[in-house]
Amino acid sequence: KAGVTQTPRYLIKTRGQQVTLSCSPISGHRSVSWYQQTPGQGLQFLFEYFSETQRNKGNFPGRFSGRQFSNSRSEMNVSTLELGDSALYLCASSLAGRGFRDTQYFGPGTRLTVL
Amino acid sequence: KNEVEQSPQNLTAQEGEFITINCSYSVGISALHWLQQHPGGGIVSLFMLSSGKKKHGRLIATINIQEKHSSLHITASHPRDSAVYICAVRYNTDKLIFGTGTRLQVFP
Repeated sequence: KAGVTQTPRYLIKTRGQQVTLSCSPISGHRSVSWYQQTPGQGLQFLFEYFSETQRNKGNFPGRFSGRQFSNSRSEMNVSTLELGDSALYLCASSLAGRGFRDTQYFGPGTRLTVL
Repeated sequence: KNEVEQSPQNLTAQEGEFITINCSYSVGISALHWLQQHPGGGIVSLFMLSSGKKKHGRLIATINIQEKHSSLHITASHPRDSAVYICAVRYNTDKLIFGTGTRLQVFP
């Protein structure tokens, strides 16, 4: 079975632009979660989707948004990019909709650099 | 104060040593995870615990709900165990918090 895939793997943007990141979960997994990792703040939870519905949300501004499609693929969008948004963005999929009460399978991440 | 505390922050060991990494949290949880992150960023979920003890190969994870504490043990450590180990907790409030990680280096 193919693992979690994320595209693109690397991205460079400038302040004020917007960006869309994509995550394809393991086949059969219905839950996708997104995380941000920075050297200063470490790993932080962004949001969790199950069956196209946002189930849980971390403490991030409204510039961060996401969605999940009927095939369980998910996208996250960051609008009006700031320098502090430079980070590794990770997504993880799990089988059921119990969020972090299920084993998480992580993708390789998208490294976003904002100049 | 981080709501999930890990210790130590850094750990060096000689191949073959027994290693323990600790994680403490503050209130009731629904799940605790131990994650492994290698250089380059890839994260692997090692264990998910809500009670008791789990073992997988040379890795053992335990959790004490009353003391709000979990430990990850590595027996007979090997250089390929060198990585950052992260404890993550889902609180009963659905809040999800990660520890700051423990950087482990195992030398041959």
